[in-house]
Amino acid sequence: NAGVTQTPKFQVLKTGQSMTLQCAQDMNHNSMYWYRQDPGMGLRLIYYSASEGTTDKGEVPNGYNVSRLNKREFSLRLESAAPSQTSVYFCASRGDRALNQPQHFGDGTRLSIL
Amino acid sequence: KNQVEQSPQSLIILEGKNCTLQCNYTVSPFSNLRWYKQDTGRGPVSLTIMTFSENTKSNGRYTATLDADTKQSSLHITASQLSDSASYICVVSSSGGSYIPTFGRGTSLIVHP
Repeated sequence: NAGVTQTPKFQVLKTGQSMTLQCAQDMNHNSMYWYRQDPGMGLRLIYYSASEGTTDKGEVPNGYNVSRLNKREFSLRLESAAPSQTSVYFCASRGDRALNQPQHFGDGTRLSIL
Repeated sequence: KNQVEQSPQSLIILEGKNCTLQCNYTVSPFSNLRWYKQDTGRGPVSLTIMTFSENTKSNGRYTATLDADTKQSSLHITASQLSDSASYICVVSSSGGSYIPTFGRGTSLIVHP
């Protein structure tokens, strides 16, 4: 039972390069989320998807795009990376909100923009 | 605006000692409050969940309390172990239409031998 899998685990980019962070969950969850975590700031929501086929902006969406490819996969794309996007990125999924099910997190992608 | 405030920001204790972490929130309408543990280099993992009607809940050496009237929660760790060194994050969910839980910034706990 893998849970939430994120790839890659580490990445170094140059300013202006683009890349896609991948996330997949095997728990048949409807909701999926992308967060970034910076020192002293806690987890901040970038985008989320309440169900397959829908996506919505979170607190810090500028500079990012997302795709909910299917129920399992939710990707995050940086079109033109900037040093301010250096961070640790976490993907999460959640089961039935009405049943108070928790978010399950991947182990993160550590991204450095030079 | 929904907010979750945690204190202290960081805490250092000796192995075997007890400690208490605090969480204050202004999320409304309230649905539930979770405490997550985040080990270094890992994603957060849920420790406990508190709903409106619950005052206390234990998970091994972790005991969470909730005062829905004052909108405060605490996480008490008993007989701390080196493996308790982590960040502890308070997360509050609303029963309204939003799918977005509100996160606190976390308390960083270091347990020294």
